[in-house]
Amino acid sequence: AQTVTQSQPEMSVQEAETVTLSCTYDTSESNYYLFWYKQPPSRQMILVIRQEAYKQQNATENRFSVNFQKAAKSFSLKISDSQLGDTAMYFCAFEYGNKLVFGAGTILRVKS
Amino acid sequence: SQTIHQWPATLVQPVGSPLSLECTVEGTSNPNLYWYRQAAGRGLQLLFYSVGIGQISSEVPQNLSASRPQDRQFILSSKKLLLSDSGFYLCAWSPEEGNYGYTFGSGTRLTVV
Repeated sequence: AQTVTQSQPEMSVQEAETVTLSCTYDTSESNYYLFWYKQPPSRQMILVIRQEAYKQQNATENRFSVNFQKAAKSFSLKISDSQLGDTAMYFCAFEYGNKLVFGAGTILRVKS
Repeated sequence: SQTIHQWPATLVQPVGSPLSLECTVEGTSNPNLYWYRQAAGRGLQLLFYSVGIGQISSEVPQNLSASRPQDRQFILSSKKLLLSDSGFYLCAWSPEEGNYGYTFGSGTRLTVV
C-alpha cells in the first residue's frame, strides 16, 4: 500500500525567510506523481506544485520549489520569501491509479 | 474553464437523519470524481471515487454511499447519520487521463448532533 508521511505537525517561520516542509512516501511503483497542496483557513484545497517521478529535475512554481529524491522516497517543499498569506496547512500527496493519497499535513504559520 | 460546485457549505443534522451532499463539475467531460473526508482539520481520507456513470469504488466501508447519476454529478448519501460521520467533506475532480492532480470543491462542514 502507498503511504505518505509528513513528520512535522506544525512549523513556524518569520516573514521573508525560507522554510522547508518534509515528506516521505512508500511505494513499489516506478512511475507516479507527487503533489503539494495548500489549505488556508478558508479550507479550500489549492494545488501548489506537481512533480513527475520520471523527471529528475525538481519542479518550481515561483517561490515554491521541491527537492525530489526518488531513491530516498523524499519530496520536500521549500517556500522562499515566506509571506503572511502562506499561513496554511500543507499536504503532501502521492497519485497512483487515479487515486490521490495524502499525508497528515503540516500546519505552517508565518509570523510578522 | 472547468469549475466544481459543492453544496451545501454547512449542514447540521440530527443523528439518524438522512444525508445528501451534491457535487457537480462544469466545463469538462468524463471526469474522475472523488469524495474525501477530513476529520479534525487533519489528513484527507478517500471515501469514494468514480471513473464513469454508475461506476463507484468504495475505499472505506462505512455508513455512507455514493452515486453518479450523470457524467458530471456525484452524490454522497447516508440513510441514517451517526455522530462519527461529522467532518469536513470535499468533492474533487481530475481529468479522465489523470496525473494532473485534483481540483477540489469548497467543502461541506457536516455536524451530526
